Order: sequence, then C-alpha cells, then structure tokens
Amino acid sequence: QVRLQESGPQLVQSSDPLSVTCSVSGDSMNHYYFFWMRQPAGKGPEFIGRVHYAGRPYYNSSFQYRASMSVDTARKEVHLTMSSLTAADTAIYYCAANSAGYDYFMTYWGQGTQITVSP
Amino acid sequence: EIVVTQSPATLSLSPGQRATLSCRISQSVGNYIAWYQQKPGLPPRLLIHHVSQRAAAIPPRFIAGGSGTDFTLTITSLEPDDIAVYFCQQRGSWPTFGGGTKVEL
Repeated sequence: QVRLQESGPQLVQSSDPLSVTCSVSGDSMNHYYFFWMRQPAGKGPEFIGRVHYAGRPYYNSSFQYRASMSVDTARKEVHLTMSSLTAADTAIYYCAANSAGYDYFMTYWGQGTQITVSP
Repeated sequence: EIVVTQSPATLSLSPGQRATLSCRISQSVGNYIAWYQQKPGLPPRLLIHHVSQRAAAIPPRFIAGGSGTDFTLTITSLEPDDIAVYFCQQRGSWPTFGGGTKVEL
C-alpha cells in the first residue's frame, strides 16, 4: 500500500509562497489520486484539491486562484504551492490518497506538516 | 458550498455503551457520505464510505446509515480505543467536513 510523507517550511511569511511536498513510497503513483488537505487547530479537515498523474488538478473553488498542485512521478512526489497567504492559512497540511472506486474519500494519509503563517 | 453539521459536539459515555453520532448536510448528495476517526496527533482515518461501507480493517461495531440529508454513525459497544473525534464528510462539488463529534469516557 502507498505511504505518504509531507515536508514543508514550518514557518512562512505571508509575503512568500508556501511550498509543501509529499513523498510517495510503497506503490506506483499511477494507481492513486492524491489530495491536499489542511486542518486548522480544533477544526475539521478542509479539501484543497485533488490531482492524478494523468489528469488536471481539481480545486476547491476557495483555492483555485492561489493554489497549484502537481505530480512528479520521476521523483515520486506531489507538490502544493499556495500564494497570497494570511494567518488563516495556518494549519496542519496533509497529503492523502485513494485508488479508483473511492471517489473523494481519502483512504491513505500522511502524518501532516504544521505550517504557521506569520504577518 | 454544502454545509455539514454534526451533533452532539461531545458525547460522554462508558465502555460497553452505544454511541450514536449524527450528521446533517444542507443538500442531498446521494450516497457520497463518509466518516473518519481522528485521535490526538494523528491524521484522520477513514472508517466508512458511501454511507455504510466499512473501510478495510474497520471492526463491525462501527455501523453507519442514513439517506437524504440525515446520516448516523453508531458504535454498538464502546471500547476505550474508540475515544476520538469523528468527522462526517460529504462529496458534492468538492468535499466538506463537519466540525466533529468528540467521544469521551
């Protein structure tokens, strides 16, 4: 089964873009859809977008103009970039995945990476 | 955006008791409903998908159902390992989650 590990800057200035990477292991990336999720402290998860190596990303409309997702099969990585950051973007950012048949239900999750946005 | 409302916010029970968690969504999405369990410091874990289908390795004491805009997750006999926050998720134009129900002893 697939294993996911996020890495990111921990602290980012609001004037800078956020870049988070998900390292994928354990199985071929071709078998999975990948998601970026985030979860502010004490709240439910929030869907940012979904991407597949062979298709275009699909975004939550709240993020479609400032988030970008991509898949690098050679490096076995999934990337998230987000701009126009504010303190409200402070959250744990998760990479998640599923295989065909699970639609938008996320069966595999990384451990998450805490991102704090400072003004 | 479809709004997901969960109740109660907190459920305080004893081991062996039945836990019933509710989820109401602002408009119907067919059978595109899931439930997740989250323990402190860990990512969410998929318990139920498509309203009532248990995910791999989920024990049979977790039962879910519902239709239209009202759904429930029942833990038939609460075990100490079930202490967690439970989230309901819908899949409309994009997934949204409720605020969670905390199950405590």
